[in-house]
Amino acid sequence: AQSVTQLGSHVSVSEGALVLLRCNYSSSVPPYLFWYVQYPNQGLQLLLKYTTGATLVKGINGFEAEFKKSETSFHLTKPSAHMSDAAEYFCAVEEYGGSQGNLIFGKGTKLSVKP
Amino acid sequence: SAVISQKPSRDICQRGTSLTIQCQVDSQVTMMFWYRQQPGQSLTLIATANQGSEATYESGFVIDKFPISRPNLTFSTLTVSNMSPEDSSIYLCSVGSGNIQYFGAGTRLSVL
Repeated sequence: AQSVTQLGSHVSVSEGALVLLRCNYSSSVPPYLFWYVQYPNQGLQLLLKYTTGATLVKGINGFEAEFKKSETSFHLTKPSAHMSDAAEYFCAVEEYGGSQGNLIFGKGTKLSVKP
Repeated sequence: SAVISQKPSRDICQRGTSLTIQCQVDSQVTMMFWYRQQPGQSLTLIATANQGSEATYESGFVIDKFPISRPNLTFSTLTVSNMSPEDSSIYLCSVGSGNIQYFGAGTRLSVL
């Protein structure tokens, strides 16, 4: 069965610092990978996705993630944190395309940004 | 993309009662999903609801506890039946469109 591990339930960075949120997955086949963001009292918003092709994917709000098959990782980065980035981030994996079946989510990483 | 409206946004309910959550989409979609997010936990899929067929439930979830309706391609409801405090969670509706799942804002349920 698929599983997703997000290292660190809580990450704190200073404004302007690098953001790195880690995600590792277990899958016997190349999966579809997603990062979602959840702002307080809101639903999940898609940040970016990897399906096929280029392994470095760019998303909204300056975030990007790199699919590394050899490391079974899909870490999320942003060069310079902004106060508005404070939210909870979820990594998710799906075998059959994202819209067709079960998304398996990690437990989430809450990002705090200090002024 | 798809815009999803969920009602109610939050509710506080008494033990033993039932709550029906509505999910409305701004476009016709084949597949709709219901997830649960327990406090401090990640999202877990409850069931997949396709229009015109019975919902498909994931392991650990049963129709008697979480009956789902899907009367048309833009609407679905999830009922949380005979609630207990353990049902206190966020319940989210999502739809599949173009290789992506889009989520509603969720329903925050507290059971006393």
